[in-house]
Amino acid sequence: EVYLVESGGGLVQPGGSLRLSCAASGFTFSTYSMNWVRQAPGKGLEWVSYISSSSNTIYYGDSVKGRFTISRDNAKNSLYLQMNSLRAEDTAVYYCARALVTTTARWFDPWGQGTLVTVSS
Amino acid sequence: DIQMTQSPSSLSASVGDRVTITCRTGQSISKYLNWYQQKPGKAPKLLIFAASSLQSGVPSRFSGSGFGTDFTLTISSLQPEDFATYYCQQTYSTPPWTFGQGTKVEIK
Repeated sequence: EVYLVESGGGLVQPGGSLRLSCAASGFTFSTYSMNWVRQAPGKGLEWVSYISSSSNTIYYGDSVKGRFTISRDNAKNSLYLQMNSLRAEDTAVYYCARALVTTTARWFDPWGQGTLVTVSS
Repeated sequence: DIQMTQSPSSLSASVGDRVTITCRTGQSISKYLNWYQQKPGKAPKLLIFAASSLQSGVPSRFSGSGFGTDFTLTISSLQPEDFATYYCQQTYSTPPWTFGQGTKVEIK
C-alpha cells in the first residue's frame, strides 16, 4: 500500500524557520513527482510547491516564492519543505501529495495525513 | 493564474438525493480537472481525475463530466458517508494548480 507520512510541524515565531519532511513507502518514490499543498484553518486548499522526480523542475506558488525551498532525497524516499521567514498567514496544515501524470491528465494521489504549522508569537 | 469558480459553496441534501456540484475555469483546461473529497480532520481523497475517470475504489454513484471550462461532479444517490467538503482542482499546463473554493455537503 502507498503511504505518505508528514512530520516536522509545530509552533514557530514569526520570522522563524521550520523544515517539513514527508516519508514515502509502498511505491518507487524516485519515479514520481511530488507536491506540497496547504490548508489554513477553516479554509480551502492551496497548492504550494512541486518537484519533479529527478529534482530538475521545481515550481512555487507566489505566496511562498523566495521563502520556501522544496527538495527530495530519492535514496531516503523522502520529500522536504524548508520554510524560512515564516508569517502568520503560513499557519496551515501542510500535506504532501504524489503527482500522477499521463499525456492528457495530472492528479494528486495519495495525500499524507498532514502536519500542522502554527506561526505565532 | 487560472481562476476557478466552484458552486455552490454549500448545500443541504437528504440521503438518496442526487447532488450536482459545478466548477468553471477562467480559460480552457481540456480535461485537466480533478475532484477530491475531504472529511473533517482528514486529508483530501481523490474521487475523479481527468474530468470523468473514476478513481479505483470510489463508489460508482460518483461521476464527473465536462471539458474545456465547465465541469460537474454528480453524486447519484447521496449516502450518509458522502457528507463532506468537495474540491475541484485544475492541473493544466505549468503551476500554479489551483483549487476551487470547496462545496460543503450537509445533511438536510
